[in-house]
Amino acid sequence: NAGVTQTPKFQVLKTGQSMTLQCAQDMNHNSMYWYRQDPGMGLRLIYYSASEGTTDKGEVPNGYNVSRLNKREFSLRLESAAPSQTSVYFCASSEAYEPYFGPGTRLTVT
Amino acid sequence: QKEVEQDPGPLSVPEGAIVSLNCTYSNSAFQYFMWYRQYSRKGPELLMYTYSSGNKEDGRFTAQVDKSSKYISLFIRDSQPSDSATYLCAMSAGGGTSYGKLTFGQGTILTVHP
Repeated sequence: NAGVTQTPKFQVLKTGQSMTLQCAQDMNHNSMYWYRQDPGMGLRLIYYSASEGTTDKGEVPNGYNVSRLNKREFSLRLESAAPSQTSVYFCASSEAYEPYFGPGTRLTVT
Repeated sequence: QKEVEQDPGPLSVPEGAIVSLNCTYSNSAFQYFMWYRQYSRKGPELLMYTYSSGNKEDGRFTAQVDKSSKYISLFIRDSQPSDSATYLCAMSAGGGTSYGKLTFGQGTILTVHP
């Protein structure tokens, strides 16, 4: 039981490049989330998926798109990366009250 | 003003001390309150979860929620060097699909020195 897994662990992009962050969970949770963490800002919700087939915007969705591929997988796409998207990205999943987080993807955009 | 305010510290205490970590919030709709621990370069790990007002104890950790004051606390007794981490408070209004839509504090950096 791996919990929530994320790939890649690290990534460096140039401004304007695109990439997809992958997330998978093996806990059979219905809900999945993408957060970003910046110094002094805590974690902020980017997008979430309450159940398979649904997605919705969180607090900071601009510049991102998501896909809930199936119940296990929830991906985050940056179409045209900007330096302001340099951050640590965490995927999480939950069934009831408290989400469980993955190990994170550290992204730098130069 | 942020919805959730948390003193970022850093907080440095000797081993064995009692640690008090606190958050205040402004949204009266919050009903579910969580504390996460995050070690350097790791994901947040759930420590405590509390619904509405009251206390909850788990080993050396006690979480308190005072909804009337919009104030939550985490107490760590007999603190250990292994407790050195960033502690994040988080909360949600809950209900339906909202449980995991958390609003976080900025996190408090705690160091427990031997």
